Amino acid sequence: SQQGEEDPQALSIQEGENATMNCSYKTSINNLQWYRQNSGRGLVHLILIRSNEREKHSGRLRVTLDTSKKSSSLLITASRAADTASYFCATVSGSARQLTFGSGTQLTVLP
Amino acid sequence: GAGVSQSPSNKVTEKGKDVELRCDPISGHTALYWYRQSLGQGLEFLIYFQGNSAPDKSGLPSDRFSAERTGGSVSTLTIQRTQQEDSAVYLCASSPHYDHEQYFGPGTRLTVT
Repeated sequence: SQQGEEDPQALSIQEGENATMNCSYKTSINNLQWYRQNSGRGLVHLILIRSNEREKHSGRLRVTLDTSKKSSSLLITASRAADTASYFCATVSGSARQLTFGSGTQLTVLP
Repeated sequence: GAGVSQSPSNKVTEKGKDVELRCDPISGHTALYWYRQSLGQGLEFLIYFQGNSAPDKSGLPSDRFSAERTGGSVSTLTIQRTQQEDSAVYLCASSPHYDHEQYFGPGTRLTVT
């Protein structure tokens, strides 16, 4: 079953603009991760944020986590056409060891 | 270094036949996962292996699905008597530890006709 819902389901922006995607989840988590998927095949890990962290940066990516609201956001700054992909949040919760994925956001960056 | 590899990349099979999907994890990764991605269902967990521990099979959708991991390395996912609803992309991932990021293979696209 899906742990999280992502918002928006689809996002289209111009190159150079910032893209923000949101993720909400239902149960307490150990960590939350963001992945990118191109063309419906393998996923690429972007960033992992632990439950005791509030913000994390990696290059043009910024992730925030609000455990009181059970939500996270992924910000991609200065977007490029190559950022066009589906983005998923995924959580690890409790004693479970697997990722539970959100429904994903399809990002399109127009040149 | 080498990433996670999966074979075959595509598999078309007739309803009722058995299929085997293979995953070669990153060397040294003790955790191995299988997921399935299908239209309308998103990404769903199937099974998890950690070292020599008993696997977590809680995500397997039916007893037609089984998986093995030999020697703590290569894993095979077997689907018996395939049904059309088994059509999906099957993704394998490995990780040095369950609390770390997972590294995904390119997936096997299974089509049951």
